[in-house]
Amino acid sequence: AQSVTQPDIHITVSEGASLELRCNYSYGATPYLFWYVQSPGQGLQLLLKYFSGDTLVQGIKGFEAEFKRSQSSFNLRKPSVHWSDAAEYFCAVGAGFGNEKLTFGTGTRLTIIP
Amino acid sequence: KAGVTQTPRYLIKTRGQQVTLSCSPISGHRSVSWYQQTPGQGLQFLFEYFSETQRNKGNFPGRFSGRQFSNSRSEMNVSTLELGDSALYLCASSEAQANSPLHFGNGTRLTVT
Repeated sequence: AQSVTQPDIHITVSEGASLELRCNYSYGATPYLFWYVQSPGQGLQLLLKYFSGDTLVQGIKGFEAEFKRSQSSFNLRKPSVHWSDAAEYFCAVGAGFGNEKLTFGTGTRLTIIP
Repeated sequence: KAGVTQTPRYLIKTRGQQVTLSCSPISGHRSVSWYQQTPGQGLQFLFEYFSETQRNKGNFPGRFSGRQFSNSRSEMNVSTLELGDSALYLCASSEAQANSPLHFGNGTRLTVT
């Protein structure tokens, strides 16, 4: 069975500082990996996705993530955070085409200090 | 294109009642999935429909059901509501093709009293 671990429940960073959110997955085959962001009272917005190819994936809002098969990780990074990045971030793994079921991590809540 | 639309945004029901939630996918998307989000259990997959057929199902009791119409719109139904069914119910649609991700709606917040 597939699983996702986000070890950090809550992270606080200063505005302008760099950010890295950790994600580790467990999946038997090549995974489809995603990062979603959720603002309070809202649904999930897709930040970026990895299906195959380049292991460094660029997303929206200046985010990027790196797939490392040897470490079963898919960490999300941003070089300089903005106050508007405060939200909850979810990593997810899926089996891909024909199987729309995603397994989500428990999420990391990001707080930005002015 | 318009995004995934879920109605209603908020619902308050009483234990024992039933409820129906609606989801309109992005135009052209044929797959609709439903997820339940609670503080204790996080995001959990309920089921997925493709071309009016349930293709995948999560680990939820039979009180949770769904259907999809020929225009890809979907409804989910919860019968005999329990307090623990209070949650944010999220609908997502996709093109169900290689490299097509899920796009989520803003959810329906269900409160059971």
